Amino acid sequence: DADVTQTPRNRITKTGKRIMLECSQTKGHDRMYWYRQDPGLGLRLIYYSFDVKDINKGEISDGYSVSRQAQAKFSLSLESAIPNQTALYFCATSDRWGGTYSGANVLTFGAGSRLTVL
Amino acid sequence: QQQVKQSPQSLIVQKGGISIINCAYENTAFDYFPWYQQFPGKGPALLIAIRPDVSEKKEGRFTISFNKSAKQFSLHIMDSQPGDSATYFCAASIGAGKLIFGQGTELSVKP
Repeated sequence: DADVTQTPRNRITKTGKRIMLECSQTKGHDRMYWYRQDPGLGLRLIYYSFDVKDINKGEISDGYSVSRQAQAKFSLSLESAIPNQTALYFCATSDRWGGTYSGANVLTFGAGSRLTVL
Repeated sequence: QQQVKQSPQSLIVQKGGISIINCAYENTAFDYFPWYQQFPGKGPALLIAIRPDVSEKKEGRFTISFNKSAKQFSLHIMDSQPGDSATYFCAASIGAGKLIFGQGTELSVKP
């Protein structure tokens, strides 16, 4: 099984619908993130959580919300989806101490969730 | 406000050639500069990283060159292979803070 599992992998929905993307991890990491990938714009941070009781907005949080249900679970919601939220969404986790890169965040990404809003 | 700017957006290199991807940053407080590699259908994965106290970091065919005064760093892929074809992202962070990514470079290595 993958260390970071995202569901669904693909989703097509209509404008105005509520969508939830789910992420679960078996890494035992404290930190979890949601990124959005768009061609030419790279990876942009939506929300991040450094522990279960900590939720922080990223660069592009408008129109999104998150819930950290447990150390291993972090979900992203679009309350009322719009077409410009069509993108590839990634969940990631990191270990606070980073192993080889002590003190830095080494991210482990899921395989991504492709969302299309019509 | 894009704190990390990456170029080029796409790059085509012949097998055996050198691939060079550049990044520039604005925040002088950044102290950790990783590169991530992403294959189609997969999430990005850490490739190599550097701290600003060194000017170069080499791991196999991959080298990061770092120029602190110019606030620039680059990834060099020597003897590029078709298997290196992927999207590459530079990033930066302050300590154990959140990573800020560049726009990505789609590399294609032709046989």
